[in-house]
Amino acid sequence: DVKVTQSSRYLVKRTGEKVFLECVQDMDHENMFWYRQDPGLGLRLIYFSYDVKMKEKGDIPEGYSVSREKKERFSLILESASTNQTSMYLCASSLQGITEAFFGQGTRLTVV
Amino acid sequence: KQEVTQIPAALSVPEGENLVLNCSFTDSAIYNLQWFRQDPGKGLTSLLLIQSSQREQTSGRLNASLDKSSGRSTLYIAASQPGDSATYLCAVRNYGQNFVFGPGTRLSVLP
Repeated sequence: DVKVTQSSRYLVKRTGEKVFLECVQDMDHENMFWYRQDPGLGLRLIYFSYDVKMKEKGDIPEGYSVSREKKERFSLILESASTNQTSMYLCASSLQGITEAFFGQGTRLTVV
Repeated sequence: KQEVTQIPAALSVPEGENLVLNCSFTDSAIYNLQWFRQDPGKGLTSLLLIQSSQREQTSGRLNASLDKSSGRSTLYIAASQPGDSATYLCAVRNYGQNFVFGPGTRLSVLP
């Protein structure tokens, strides 16, 4: 089975901190995605990557950056966390082309 | 820009009923459509993937259909069970390999 693992289920961080959310997949998928999910707004794409060191902005990239140094790992970085970044963050991966996407278990981030 | 809607927003049914969840999208130039299940506070679990060239897919008690020209998909759940209670999300994949998600249908199956 495909496994997408997010490093933390729950995180509490202070305003202004630099925050790293890590995602690892074990199926050699080329594509990896970061979404955030908020009540009433649904899932919104932050960034995606279709290859190592390649990245594309999604719908809401402001305040975020990403890193993909290895194929299996895709990191989301909050340069200076703010309270409006409190959310559920979901990582996903898929093979190149028109294939199924698989999601991690989510990270519930609270910024205080 | 692709927009995805789901009707109804919430649904409560007694155990054993057959039910239909609806998903609509505005741009029919999709590559595929995927249905997911999400339990409270958890990630998304893939249920069914329908390629743009397909009309339907089945897995157990679940059947998903796709009418690309009209921008619609339905998820049919047969003989619903309390364990089916969750939020069901549809997502379409367009050029650029991004997914666009609907807001979800929150399903409660009462014992």
